[in-house]
Amino acid sequence: GNSVTQMEGPVTLSEEAFLTINCTYTATGYPSLFWYVQYPGEGLQLLLKATKADDKGSNKGFEATYRKETTSFHLEKGSVQVSDSAVYFCALNSGYSTLTFGKGTMLLVSP
Amino acid sequence: KAGVTQTPRYLIKTRGQQVTLSCSPISGHRSVSWYQQTPGQGLQFLFEYFSETQRNKGNFPGRFSGRQFSNSRSEMNVSTLELGDSALYLCASSFDGGASGANVLTFGAGSRLTVL
Repeated sequence: GNSVTQMEGPVTLSEEAFLTINCTYTATGYPSLFWYVQYPGEGLQLLLKATKADDKGSNKGFEATYRKETTSFHLEKGSVQVSDSAVYFCALNSGYSTLTFGKGTMLLVSP
Repeated sequence: KAGVTQTPRYLIKTRGQQVTLSCSPISGHRSVSWYQQTPGQGLQFLFEYFSETQRNKGNFPGRFSGRQFSNSRSEMNVSTLELGDSALYLCASSFDGGASGANVLTFGAGSRLTVL
């Protein structure tokens, strides 16, 4: 079956530090890959997506590249801000609306 | 453009009761899916509806059920509530939830259920 593995958090960084959150997946076929973010007390917001191998998704300074050879979709940002503090979820969708999520990684950014 | 609306946002029930949660998708979206979020199990897929038909179902007991109406609004019901049903229930909508998986799901803010 499908599965997503994310690095466990919390990840604690100072403002302007570089961020990497690792994500690897197991899936049959060629899934689409997503990063969602959840702020306290809110639902999930799409951060970025990639639908085929070597695609790079990007949004708000965050980037992730769909690596089929390593089955990975690591999230990166060059300079984090306090406002980036949230929980980040890696997910895959191999069909219809059935997302398989990782456990989530909490990011805490201090001034 | 209005987002996905879930009601109620918070509710408290006791064991053995039942609960109904409602979801209004983004206008024009025909696919509605439901997810359960708990600290222990994370985010788990419950079911997905498209044009009033359940297309896919996760690994949950029969106490969890849902339906979709002709206007794409959806409800989910949990009967005979257990303490372990305490969770944030998230609804998501997409244009057609196509087979390719490339469709983006837009999530609501969730309904937080507490079972005492």
